[in-house]
Amino acid sequence: DIQMTQSPSSLSASVGDRVTITCRASQSISSYLNWYQQKPGKAPKVLIYGASSLQIGVPSRFSGSGSGTDFTLTISSLQPEDFATYYCQQSSTTPLTFGGGTKVEIK
Amino acid sequence: QVQLQESGPGLVKPSETLSLTCTVSGGSISTYSWNWIRQPPGKGLEWIGYIYHSGNFKQNPSLKSRVTISVDTSTNQFSLKLRSVSAADTAVYYCARKMGRPNFYMDVWGTGSTVTVSS
Repeated sequence: DIQMTQSPSSLSASVGDRVTITCRASQSISSYLNWYQQKPGKAPKVLIYGASSLQIGVPSRFSGSGSGTDFTLTISSLQPEDFATYYCQQSSTTPLTFGGGTKVEIK
Repeated sequence: QVQLQESGPGLVKPSETLSLTCTVSGGSISTYSWNWIRQPPGKGLEWIGYIYHSGNFKQNPSLKSRVTISVDTSTNQFSLKLRSVSAADTAVYYCARKMGRPNFYMDVWGTGSTVTVSS
């Protein structure tokens, strides 16, 4: 199985901050990497697919980059509604696997 | 606008079979492929498997062949059966649509069904 490692596992940030979350795959996954946002008690919501494509309806302050084994999710200016847990997910091979999550909390 | 809704028992006894159904509304189930994902309390996401509209499915080997996923195009539903459950199978179970090729992702999710395994 491909292991997905996210860092940090949690972070505290203020509204307006630039936030970067990283995801590393245990082997190359090309650009087969997706990012999700999950709020408490809710289902995940896809933000970025194919490493860098913004899902329809997602604000442009979210962006993704990377290929191979190293990927980043960037929130350019953190908004109150962005406090949530973020997961990366690879679709290069089955079983599909997710990172352990990054919880973004209010500073 | 496609919507998904999971349904099934909230409590299952150890060693029995967990059965959940996902109802697809607002679109045809035959157009896409469909996933099951779960999330134990306070933990991360685990992919269970997906099914093509043809009926072929793939499952996560970590579940040791305990999984069956089926699709019923006449009712626009797909289902999950997980056999021989234990407390480790307690989780919120989500159904989700599989989108994209060759990279695929889950773009529409159900609200989740909480299943507790306990005697």
